[in-house]
Formats: sequence, structure tokens, C-alpha cells
Amino acid sequence: SYELTQPPSVSVAPGKTARMTCGGNNIGSKNVQWYQQKPGQAPVLLIYYDSDRPSGIPERFSGSNSGNTATLTISRVEAGDEADYYCQVWDSTSDHWVFGGGTKLTVL
Amino acid sequence: QVHLVQSGAEVKKPGASVKVSCKASGYTFTTNTIHWVRQAPGQRLEWMGWINAGNGNTKYSHKFQGRVTISRDTSASTAYMELSSLKPEDTAVYLCAREVSSGSAFDIWGQGTMVTVST
Repeated sequence: SYELTQPPSVSVAPGKTARMTCGGNNIGSKNVQWYQQKPGQAPVLLIYYDSDRPSGIPERFSGSNSGNTATLTISRVEAGDEADYYCQVWDSTSDHWVFGGGTKLTVL
Repeated sequence: QVHLVQSGAEVKKPGASVKVSCKASGYTFTTNTIHWVRQAPGQRLEWMGWINAGNGNTKYSHKFQGRVTISRDTSASTAYMELSSLKPEDTAVYLCAREVSSGSAFDIWGQGTMVTVST
């Protein structure tokens, strides 16, 4: 089955840029979504189709995808960005939706 | 506004079944697919399956095949997820989510339902 690998944690100072990766075999050929989940809350869609943002999501959030790695970038990080971030793809081989293990973003 | 509102927390004994509901509002229920995802304490999101709310077609994760049944009641704009033969490791928050019409992502999520399996 298809697997997505995310680093367990990323730390960044306020105002700096955070980059979180999502690794998968030839993930560049798939559409990647990113979700933000704060404690006790449901996930929120941040990025779809690799780099598109739903309405209401700040431009500080951006995504890219190529080769075996997709990346979520958060510019000008704020304290309120502290959360878990999950990547997701649809695997056509298994017709299953797959989530990564999540990355916990800590704002120093 | 589009909302998915789920039923309340459940406590079940091992071997029992649980049925969680997900009521949609603010959009035409039958135009989108509803997915079910679960999250055990401190664990990743785990996809369980989906139902096409229009035609009732379903697809289940191999992991839950045979134990999970997803259904819907179009007159009530509500989707259901029933999980049988519960085990303590099924203790988790169960979430429903709407798939966007383009089939790319889950744009609206329910608030989650905590299911605890314990003797």
C-alpha cells in the first residue's frame, strides 16, 4: 500500500518560514492535499491540488510537489500556526485515500 | 453555511457495534461524497471509506472491509458509519468529511465523535 512519510516535528521562530515535507514514491505524479489540525479540533483544508488554497486560507500558506517530495511552506509564521499538519493523497492503485503521519509545528 | 454535525460520544463494550451519524446542512446533500476518517489518541488520520450520497455507492478501506458499513438517508441529509466487532484499539475519534465536487480534497469536516471501547 502507498505510504506517506512526514517528519514528526518542525520548530520555527515567529516571523520566519516553516517548511514541512511529505515523502512518497513518485508523489509528484499525484495531487497532494494539506490539512491543519489544532488540538481537539477537526482538520482544516489548507492546500489542494498541490498548491491551490481554498477561499479564506491566507497566502502565507503555499504548497509544491515534485519527484518524491511534497512541501508545505508557511511564511511569516505566527503563534496561531502551532498545530499538526497532515498531507494526503489518493492512491489510484488501491483506490484508497492515504494520510501521512503528521508533523507537529512548534512556534518558538 | 455548510456544516456537518455528528452524533455524540459513545461508550461500547468489546464485540459490540457502534453507529455514528453525520448530518449535512447548507448544501445539496446528494451532490457530494462523504468520507469517514478516524483518529486514535495521538495517532494519524486513518481513512475508513466513503459513500456517494447521490447513488449510495460505497468504497471501504481494506483494513475495515467486513466490519464497517457506510450508509445514508437522503431524506434526512445524513450519512452513517457503523463499525462492528469493536475492539479496544477501535477507541478513537471518528470524523466525517465532505469531498469537494472536483474529487480532490475533503473541504468540510464534522466535529468528530469519540468512541470508547472498554470493558
